[in-house]
Amino acid sequence: ETGVTQSPTHLIKTRGQQVTLRCSSQSGHNTVSWYQQALGQGPQFIFQYYREEENGRGNFPPRFSGLQFPNYSSELNVNALELDDSALYLCASSAEGKNTEAFFGQGTRLTVV
Amino acid sequence: AQSVTQLDSQVPVFEEAPVELRCNYSSSVSVYLFWYVQYPNQGLQLLLKYLSGSTLVKGINGFEAEFNKSQTSFHLRKPSVHISDTAEYFCAVTLHSGGYQKVTFGIGTKLQVIP
Repeated sequence: ETGVTQSPTHLIKTRGQQVTLRCSSQSGHNTVSWYQQALGQGPQFIFQYYREEENGRGNFPPRFSGLQFPNYSSELNVNALELDDSALYLCASSAEGKNTEAFFGQGTRLTVV
Repeated sequence: AQSVTQLDSQVPVFEEAPVELRCNYSSSVSVYLFWYVQYPNQGLQLLLKYLSGSTLVKGINGFEAEFNKSQTSFHLRKPSVHISDTAEYFCAVTLHSGGYQKVTFGIGTKLQVIP
């Protein structure tokens, strides 16, 4: 168990809706990253938050947005859901520094119908 | 830009046999290398990592990997696999750019251990 928890574990949404996924970081970690893992693919980097600011982003459209709170928990919001957004969404937290390991949560399985 | 290539999408192997899962990477700068394991319906668990120093890295569950800079490879090995090793394995590189850490994953290799 890594100490990173994600909620909910599973979610079904309709195309066009909005969704919010939540992540609680491991104690002492001030950096959180979000990844999308489509079926049969490796995780793809969405963005990273450090001390409540987005400081890095992958190749995802603006309808993917996030927040990090003072307690370093985080949210991933996706607007105008598309069928291709169906995936496992993984949150990873890490401590400050270059050599730090990222600890992953168990993910939220999002299905868009 | 960095990229990771996992050459085998699926690897079947008999129990107690050795296994090698291949990974090649490309990057214009120095990177850190990782192997993660993902069991069904689970998140990712770190097996091992190479940051610097000795090119042979030992990880959990009896796995090891060797960093080969000239061949830009980071192959994962285990001398004798168990049924419980059946899972998907991801090779990853981490690049620090613009103050943030980005992890790029390979497509994954499904290891199927046959009794």
